[in-house]
Amino acid sequence: DAKTTQPPSMDCAEGRAANLPCNHSTISGNEYVYWYRQIHSQGPQYIIHGLKNNETNEMASLIITEDRKSSTLILPHATLRDTAVYYCIVRVGGGTSYGKLTFGQGTILTVHP
Amino acid sequence: EAQVTQNPRYLITVTGKKLTVTCSQNMNHEYMSWYRQDPGLGLRQIYYSMNVEVTDKGDVPEGYKVSRKEKRNFPLILESPSPNQTSLYFCASSPLAVSRTYEQYFGPGTRLTVT
Repeated sequence: DAKTTQPPSMDCAEGRAANLPCNHSTISGNEYVYWYRQIHSQGPQYIIHGLKNNETNEMASLIITEDRKSSTLILPHATLRDTAVYYCIVRVGGGTSYGKLTFGQGTILTVHP
Repeated sequence: EAQVTQNPRYLITVTGKKLTVTCSQNMNHEYMSWYRQDPGLGLRQIYYSMNVEVTDKGDVPEGYKVSRKEKRNFPLILESPSPNQTSLYFCASSPLAVSRTYEQYFGPGTRLTVT
């Protein structure tokens, strides 16, 4: 699975959009970008994933660059409850080792009042 | 409510005393997995199971055992716990398909301290 690089920490004001970047310059054509978050030692929570098209769900939007070497997770209106560690994970969809998630250090997002 | 449950949530034990951490999911998922989380090391996979009676090692299986006798349960067994197994443990589950990777659902975690 491709390696990802994320900033160690970011701040955001409550109500504003939080834009979390992720670099994955060695991504392969069959690898997806996944985002999970972990709120204070709770179990990680799935947010969103995508292959090459931008994706949106009720939690967030995922913007993937055309060359797929980087992506941005967008929380459109951050709240205090969005304070968490956000993990960007790149991995092959399906296959024999599909279940394993390799978590890096992630980005600590702190949302301020 | 769809969920993954773990018990106990907190456990303090002594070196060498066998223990079992239970994991159960009510979503009829084929795939289940155990992770441990340690400061500076992130989450690392211990064991996983693709279905009943099918288990395999993850990245850090030493000192652990698992079993999958029923689809919903995937207990983690520490036959002789040691202090280096002090950690935060997470169980996870997901559907299984060869053609795609589903999002994983994680349990609330079990904080284990071995003295």
